[in-house]
Amino acid sequence: NAGVTQTPKFRILKIGQSMTLQCTQDMNHNYMYWYRQDPGMGLKLIYYSVGAGITDKGEVPNGYNVSRSTTEDFPLRLELAAPSQTSVYFCASSYSVRGVAYEQYFGPGTRLTVT
Amino acid sequence: SQELEQSPQSLIVQEGKNLTINCTSSKTLYGLYWYKQKYGEGLIFLMMLQKGGEEKSHEKITAKLDEKKQQSSLHITASQPSHAGIYLCGADGGGKLIFGQGTELSVKP
Repeated sequence: NAGVTQTPKFRILKIGQSMTLQCTQDMNHNYMYWYRQDPGMGLKLIYYSVGAGITDKGEVPNGYNVSRSTTEDFPLRLELAAPSQTSVYFCASSYSVRGVAYEQYFGPGTRLTVT
Repeated sequence: SQELEQSPQSLIVQEGKNLTINCTSSKTLYGLYWYKQKYGEGLIFLMMLQKGGEEKSHEKITAKLDEKKQQSSLHITASQPSHAGIYLCGADGGGKLIFGQGTELSVKP
């Protein structure tokens, strides 16, 4: 199993550009998540999904969009990049039993700089 | 909304010394997770605690959840340079995790 994979690892965007961060998991987990990590701020949840076709907002969803057409993939879209979106982005997945999510498996992260 | 506060925010210890990191929740914890993050990498799951008074150990790392389920501690015995990194606690918030701000640990050889 590859676990959770993310692409790209690094990206530099100009203000106003758009891009999609890719996330794929091969563990058949139904729950998937996107976080951003800023220095000294821990992880903030952007969006999450409890299954294909279902997504919901986390703590900091503004400026982002997601879709979940398959169990494996959970891409994160930035439409109009802003300097405030400079961060490290982590995708994660977990399995659940009767609505209770268990430990999350994280991808290696995408380091995004917006200038 | 639930908030997690970790202390200390950073810690520098001499190799071989013991240390403790604390995680305090504003609400009752129904699932508390500890993760470790090496610099520039993703998070690695360490342990999960659910029951009041529960204690789990893995190698030289022990995590406890207090009886009232509002505080957890992570204790490292005889620290090694390989223990260096950022430790984060996360709380189960109904299928999604809420994280503390992290504790950065440095171990001096």
